[in-house]
Amino acid sequence: KNEVEQSPQNLTAQEGEFITINCSYSVGISALHWLQQHPGGGIVSLFMLSSGKKKHGRLIATINIQEKHSSLHITASHPRDSAVYICAAYSNTGNQFYFGTGTSLTVIP
Amino acid sequence: KAGVTQTPRYLIKTRGQQVTLSCSPISGHRSVSWYQQTPGQGLQFLFEYFSETQRNKGNFPGRFSGRQFSNSRSEMNVSTLELGDSALYLCASSAPGLAVGDTQYFGPGTRLTVL
Repeated sequence: KNEVEQSPQNLTAQEGEFITINCSYSVGISALHWLQQHPGGGIVSLFMLSSGKKKHGRLIATINIQEKHSSLHITASHPRDSAVYICAAYSNTGNQFYFGTGTSLTVIP
Repeated sequence: KAGVTQTPRYLIKTRGQQVTLSCSPISGHRSVSWYQQTPGQGLQFLFEYFSETQRNKGNFPGRFSGRQFSNSRSEMNVSTLELGDSALYLCASSAPGLAVGDTQYFGPGTRLTVL
């Protein structure tokens, strides 16, 4: 049983397309994080959410606490957005992060 | 500010050996967390240290241990290595680390191969 489920696992898009990655979690959380991992392993934290919506450039993250669901949107996708996107839920009972398996995004020029 | 640094970046060991990995957090960060990433299991939380004390621990056997020094640098140790321990080990620090679940700043990782 996975505490965090992500979909889709793989996604290929044409440059300029609007992209949505979904994350559902089953644990009680104090925060939900979206991470980006480029080939070679480096991980960057994109967002930390506890409610509502956050926007940074072309990236938008939303969370619905009641439905235990979060989405990451990328507007006007670009080849440099190609990476693995990982959803991480910080459990307020287990006091640890639970990670989704990641969504591998490829944006084709 | 310098980012999170990890040493060594690559390591090859044989079964039964032990290994120590090092992590230096961003200056001023007091929380250091360790993660294991494998193709099969993805990212998994190992443990978190704050002010030299283990604050949280994931579901890994006792062969995996860690410690944190007074300057916030952290080490993790894996004893009696198994083939399944081959993975990318990532360290992350958070600022200032007072609240759990803060934004994590990741290091580049140490890729451990067990033969």
